[in-house]
Amino acid sequence: QLQLQESGPGLVKPSETLSLTCNVSGGSISSGSHYWGWIRQPPGKGLEWIGSIFYRGSTYYNPSLKSRVTISVDTSKSQFSLNLKSVTAADTAVYFCARQDLVVSTPTSFGLWGQGTLVTVSS
Amino acid sequence: SYDLTQPPSVSVSPGQTASINCSGDKLGYKFASWYQQRPGQSPILVIYQDSKRPSGIPERFSGSNSGNTATLTISGTQPIDEADYYCQARDSGFLVFFGGGTKLTVL
Repeated sequence: QLQLQESGPGLVKPSETLSLTCNVSGGSISSGSHYWGWIRQPPGKGLEWIGSIFYRGSTYYNPSLKSRVTISVDTSKSQFSLNLKSVTAADTAVYFCARQDLVVSTPTSFGLWGQGTLVTVSS
Repeated sequence: SYDLTQPPSVSVSPGQTASINCSGDKLGYKFASWYQQRPGQSPILVIYQDSKRPSGIPERFSGSNSGNTATLTISGTQPIDEADYYCQARDSGFLVFFGGGTKLTVL
């Protein structure tokens, strides 16, 4: 069955760029039936949506992060990626990638999640 | 922005019914989803499109959404249901919002 796996550095220095990749296995990222999203969770806090992407490249971002976020997709590698620039300690969190289901061609809930990866921002 | 408000905590005795509310302006006009997150684990979708259960989710989980409030109901609550629960909705611009989360304690 479909699985999602995040990968990337666990430690990023302040002011640098956080880069993560989500590998999609056991299914097609290009099926056209889903969006693909990033969600994060600071230690001990709640969930925050970062953004979502369709396999053709259309994206939607959280307005509070939009100026610093880029989400991209590489269908040939069955991966999508997150870049978050100019990070601070406030960006320390577990970052999840997830599959977002479509209802009447619009993205809704996140039906499948990766295991998450902790990224710490510290010098 | 769009705010979804949940109670920080809810307590329930085993075998009883737990209800967790999620409030937002005209939330009933949007699809609400609910996620369960146990400590150290990824969230799991337990309710989507207000009241639908994904495959593998026990029948004791149900949902409703009307007016400004969506509700997750767990009937016959079991100790294994102790977890954090998050509601989620999406606006017309495809922006996604999560509630602050509710810690369900089964005692």
